[in-house]
Amino acid sequence: EIVMTQSPDTLSVSPGERATLSCRASQSVSRNLAWYQQKPDQAPRLLIYGASVRATGIPARFSGSGSGTEFTVTISSLQSEDIAVYFCQQYDDWPHTFGQGTKLEIK
Amino acid sequence: EVQLVESGGGLVQPGRSLRLSCAASGFSFDDYTMHWVRQRPGKGLEWVSGITWNSDAMGYADSVKGRFTISRDNAKNSLYLQLTSLRPEDTAFYYCAKSKDMVARTSFFDYWGQGTLVTVSS
Repeated sequence: EIVMTQSPDTLSVSPGERATLSCRASQSVSRNLAWYQQKPDQAPRLLIYGASVRATGIPARFSGSGSGTEFTVTISSLQSEDIAVYFCQQYDDWPHTFGQGTKLEIK
Repeated sequence: EVQLVESGGGLVQPGRSLRLSCAASGFSFDDYTMHWVRQRPGKGLEWVSGITWNSDAMGYADSVKGRFTISRDNAKNSLYLQLTSLRPEDTAFYYCAKSKDMVARTSFFDYWGQGTLVTVSS
C-alpha cells in the first residue's frame, strides 16, 4: 500500500497571502495525484488532478505541481472561502490512498 | 447532471450487518469504476473499496477485507456495499464516488455523493 503523508497538519495564513500545502508518497505515483477540498459538513470536491490540472470551476489561484513522490498545491492569494481541509490522493494503483489532510485556517 | 445518492446508513449493534446503496444518475453508469470512501467523524478520508465498470475487479482496504463486499447492478444504475461483522471503528460517513475516466481501473474521483452515516454502537 502506498502511504501518503501531508504537511503541515494545520496551516494558518493571512488573507491575500500565499498558502503552500505538501504531500509525499511512500513510492513513486508518477503524476497520478489528485487534491480534494472539503468544507465543513460537505462532501469532498475535486480540486486538482494529474498533479497540476485544475478541475472544472476551480479558480486560477489554485495551482499544483510535482511528480514521483513530492507534490504541492499552492493558493496564490488566500480568500476566506478557501478555508477547508485539503486531502491529497494517489490513484496510481489500488488502494487509492489519501493523505491525512491539511487544515487551512485564516490567521 | 451527475448525481450520487447514498442510503442505508443508520445505527447498528456491533457484530450486525448493514447494506449501503448508491443511486447514480446523469452519466453512463456501466462505463465507470465506482468506489466507497469513508470518513470517521472529525477524521480523514479512507478509501474502502472499488469495483470496475464490469465487476471484473474489486478491491478492499485491509481494514475491511473479509467483512465488506462491494457490488453493482448496472441495470439499476446502483452501487452497493454490504457491511458485516460491524465494529465500533466502522462508525463513519460512507461516500460513494465516481471515477473520472471511462473503462479505467485507476482514476481520480470527479463526483461524490453526500454520504450516509453508519453508527456502530450497542
